[in-house]
Amino acid sequence: DAGITQSPRHKVTETGTPVTLRCHQTENHRYMYWYRQDPGHGLRLIHYSYGVKDTDKGEVSDGYSVSRSKTEDFLLTLESATSSQTSVYFCAISESVPQETQYFGPGTRLLVL
Amino acid sequence: GQQVMQIPQYQHVQEGEDFTTYCNSSTTLSNIQWYKQRPGGHPVFLIQLVKSGEVKKQKRLTFQFGEAKKNSSLHITATQTTDVGTYFCAGRKGGNKLVFGAGTILRVKS
Repeated sequence: DAGITQSPRHKVTETGTPVTLRCHQTENHRYMYWYRQDPGHGLRLIHYSYGVKDTDKGEVSDGYSVSRSKTEDFLLTLESATSSQTSVYFCAISESVPQETQYFGPGTRLLVL
Repeated sequence: GQQVMQIPQYQHVQEGEDFTTYCNSSTTLSNIQWYKQRPGGHPVFLIQLVKSGEVKKQKRLTFQFGEAKKNSSLHITATQTTDVGTYFCAGRKGGNKLVFGAGTILRVKS
């Protein structure tokens, strides 16, 4: 498996609180992605990054922000968590061009009460 | 909304039976990838298809990309219990984004 870790792996939080999820890679890959996985929807792209400080929105970006200050770290922030953001969040990386294979982290299970 | 449709959503087969999942896009894809996710795990890359009409095999798995590059299929011959999981297709139209299908959940009864 590629060197990708996510933290925390599990989190329970309350509606209205801010939450930050971290993705850390040791592969020095350029591209990093945040997806959410929900039953019946597969994996939906939230945001992605194509370099340090370079990010772009995915199909479900509302309510989420990201930051990438170092190649190895990509942070996903829920500014004010809502119950609809209860999901499993996966980070993924790809090496140099977007056509290449994406390698996924172990996931973070988030429950918003 | 979902731009890549995948069917069936769920399939339960007897061990030894064949299994097929289908992926369809309304627009032409530059390539398509297939991933497998074991229960409780993360998606793992299986294969990428790029050329029109391409067919690739990995042991008991056969992957096809349609002539119009709008559809793809994954066929598993003689399923085993180790094949259980969710199979996702993911299409790329160009650019940086992969669009995933909703996945097909495969259960194998021994």
